[in-house]
Amino acid sequence: NAGVTQTPKFQVLKTGQSMTLQCAQDMNHEYMSWYRQDPGMGLRLIHYSVGAGITDQGEVPNGYNVSRSTTEDFPLRLLSAAPSQTSVYFCASSVSATNEKLFFGSGTQLSVL
Amino acid sequence: QKEVEQDPGPLSVPEGAIVSLNCTYSNSAFQYFMWYRQYSRKGPELLMYTYSSGNKEDGRFTAQVDKSSKYISLFIRDSQPSDSATYLCAMSAQSGTYKYIFGTGTRLKVLA
Repeated sequence: NAGVTQTPKFQVLKTGQSMTLQCAQDMNHEYMSWYRQDPGMGLRLIHYSVGAGITDQGEVPNGYNVSRSTTEDFPLRLLSAAPSQTSVYFCASSVSATNEKLFFGSGTQLSVL
Repeated sequence: QKEVEQDPGPLSVPEGAIVSLNCTYSNSAFQYFMWYRQYSRKGPELLMYTYSSGNKEDGRFTAQVDKSSKYISLFIRDSQPSDSATYLCAMSAQSGTYKYIFGTGTRLKVLA
């Protein structure tokens, strides 16, 4: 049972490049989400999904897209990377949107030059 | 003013000490409270979850909520070097994972 798996672990991008951060969970969780963690800012919610085919915006959605075609996968797309998107990104899942126990992946450290 | 405030630390204590980690908040509607532990280069993991006021104990960990003072605490008894991590508080006014506001975290070092 792998839990929540994120790839890649590290990524360096140039301004304007696009990329997709991958997230997969094998716990059959309905709820999945993406956070970014910045020094002095805490974890901030980017996008979330309460089930396959359903997504919604969190606190800081600008510059990011998501889709949820399967229960297991929830990729995060950076459309045109900017230095302000340099951060550590975490994917998290839970049994449902009303179940408070979030399971986090190990994170992706992204640098945009 | 941030909705949730946490001293970033680092807080250094000797092994065996009682540790007190705290968060203050400004929104009096908050009633769901959580503590997460995050080891270096890892994702957070849920430690404690409490609803409304009062204490909750789980092994060496005790979570305390004082809604009148808008203050929550996490106590760690008999602290161990393996407790060295960053501790994040999170809170919400409504049930719903996507509604939680996270603190910035307090870095704890337990010295052997």
